[in-house]
Amino acid sequence: DAGVTQSPTHLIKTRGQQVTLRCSPKSGHDTVSWYQQALGQGPQFIFQYYEEEERQRGNFPDRFSGHQFPNYSSELNVNALLLGDSALYLCASSLRTVRPYEQYFGPGTRLTVT
Amino acid sequence: AQSVAQPEDQVNVAEGNPLTVKCTYSVSGNPYLFWYVQYPNRGLQFLLKYITGDNLVKGSYGFEAEFNKSQTSFHLKKPSALVSDSALYFCAVRDMKKTSYDKVIFGPGTSLSVIP
Repeated sequence: DAGVTQSPTHLIKTRGQQVTLRCSPKSGHDTVSWYQQALGQGPQFIFQYYEEEERQRGNFPDRFSGHQFPNYSSELNVNALLLGDSALYLCASSLRTVRPYEQYFGPGTRLTVT
Repeated sequence: AQSVAQPEDQVNVAEGNPLTVKCTYSVSGNPYLFWYVQYPNRGLQFLLKYITGDNLVKGSYGFEAEFNKSQTSFHLKKPSALVSDSALYFCAVRDMKKTSYDKVIFGPGTSLSVIP
């Protein structure tokens, strides 16, 4: 049973560039949530996707956007990168109609903005 | 506002001794509470949850947590610490607003070091 997978593992970008991170949920899960974890802090909720729509959003600017595909996989896009966007980006999946609060996390993508 | 606090940035314990990692929460209504562990350069691993029922919850790897409603606490415990338990521990609470479904609010984390 495949768990949550994320790609790439690491990424280095320059200020002003754009980045796309990818996530495949755990088999059977239909909901994907994205979190940003800055160094030394707890994960902060960015947004959640279900049925290919953004259902909830945390306190993040519009530079952060996402998408969910029919196979439930998801992308996180960040435009006009800032140094402060450097963080570990975590994807978590869940099954909305059964136990939506049981989230399984992927290993994360480490983004460094220089 | 709903929040989670972990009052200790760092906890040190000798191998074989009991360990406690503290967590307090502030949330309206009945809380859904969670503990996650994060090893270096890894994602979060689920340890245990409290939804309802017995205040003592047992989880993975010999960990347990005690829910105390009057003190709004959900402390993580283990009777005998292992060196391999050294990691970053996060307490979390489910956002209870109807529009927030399974949004989870995390605490700042506590670094646990088990000394051989």
